[in-house]
Amino acid sequence: GAGVSQTPSNKVTEKGKYVELRCDPISGHTALYWYRQSLGQGPEFLIYFQGTGAADDSGLPNDRFFAVRPEGSVSTLKIQRTERGDSAVYLCASSRSGGASDTQYFGPGTRLTVL
Amino acid sequence: EDKVVQSPLSLVVHEGDTVTLNCSYEVTNFRSLLWYKQEKKAPTFLFMLTSSGIEKKSGRLSSILDKKELFSILNITATQTGDSAIYLCLKYSGYALNFGKGTSLLVTP
Repeated sequence: GAGVSQTPSNKVTEKGKYVELRCDPISGHTALYWYRQSLGQGPEFLIYFQGTGAADDSGLPNDRFFAVRPEGSVSTLKIQRTERGDSAVYLCASSRSGGASDTQYFGPGTRLTVL
Repeated sequence: EDKVVQSPLSLVVHEGDTVTLNCSYEVTNFRSLLWYKQEKKAPTFLFMLTSSGIEKKSGRLSSILDKKELFSILNITATQTGDSAIYLCLKYSGYALNFGKGTSLLVTP
């Protein structure tokens, strides 16, 4: 079956612009996670959705970052007034129910470059 | 901060060598520990460990958890060039996730 997909695969934008990154989880997975991975670092947790609601958004670095999952499947990560420091690979993962015994399946990521 | 520390940060070996990668973690709200292999961008799942002392094995890869000493190791025997990747250790604390920085493994022919 289809895995987690993310679009676009690459996004180049200018400082100050608004960007949206999309994640399509595995069908039927209720839990969805966003991570950010900077060069040479492990992925950094941003936000976790259980169904339509953000169960934990404590990893979002500031109020320029926002994510939604209105129908409990596709999620969009939105970044306002982008800064050069936002440049990273943004990874999305989904799991069946979100429990600690659930394997997370990762998408290929979106490489965001802010010039 | 709930830390996961991996060592070494990078490693270069010859094909056929055996490698051991280490991951130590803090005990706070521990639920499980996972290993992922990351090539290009998307990490792929290797093992999930929840119980101490039980080895998980898949082909040439194996992993074990020591909940008393708060560490896990990932072993790769008879390494191949296709094993070259970053190996990530992840700790679940409830649903909160903490990744280590990874070990970058390069296997040379």
